[in-house]
Amino acid sequence: AQKITQTQPGMFVQEKEAVTLDCTYDTSDPSYGLFWYKQPSSGEMIFLIYQGSYDQQNATEGRYSLNFQKARKSANLVISASQLGDSAMYFCAMMPGFQKLVFGTGTRLLVSP
Amino acid sequence: DTGVSQDPRHKITKRGQNVTFRCDPISEHNRLYWYRQTLGQGPEFLTYFQNEAQLEKSRLLSDRFSAERPKGSFSTLEIQRTEQGDSAMYLCASRGPVSGGEKDEQFFGPGTRLTVL
Repeated sequence: AQKITQTQPGMFVQEKEAVTLDCTYDTSDPSYGLFWYKQPSSGEMIFLIYQGSYDQQNATEGRYSLNFQKARKSANLVISASQLGDSAMYFCAMMPGFQKLVFGTGTRLLVSP
Repeated sequence: DTGVSQDPRHKITKRGQNVTFRCDPISEHNRLYWYRQTLGQGPEFLTYFQNEAQLEKSRLLSDRFSAERPKGSFSTLEIQRTEQGDSAMYLCASRGPVSGGEKDEQFFGPGTRLTVL
């Protein structure tokens, strides 16, 4: 079965602090991609970061980094120096066999001043 | 235009009516996906096109749902005899040609929010 699990329905963080959003996945495909998307209240899905199953190094994109632990099947998103504009829903997604995306249920992040 | 567009953005309809949504992908993208997102959930895959060929359909796509991409450019998603359970956000995403690099992400449109009364 292909499944993404996000166990944190909501997270709170103060501005300028770092926050980690958890994601675990399950797939039998040896090749897959892992993605994080941000969904503001307006509804669009914004791509943040990608990690390939064969990548040796953790992905980084500006303030976003992905803590990839293949043996544990986890792909946590780390946001450094949170900003008020980071308040949104965050979805972890997997692309087994590099076709369709399988999404988790999301984590709502609230950044306070 | 540099993004995926969807029309309409919002649709309110009465139960039993038919509705049709349109998606225009990024121009050079030959792969197109439809997803459905209900309140409090992540998007769920509905169907996938490569050029004009519909390569995969989810079991979520009942007989009342049909999707087309006749010329390999824009796509339409039609729901016949709508039910209240069809109320959701319908998201379209596009992706470039297979390049050997699996990191090409799917670019999402703004979605069509359907409300069935």
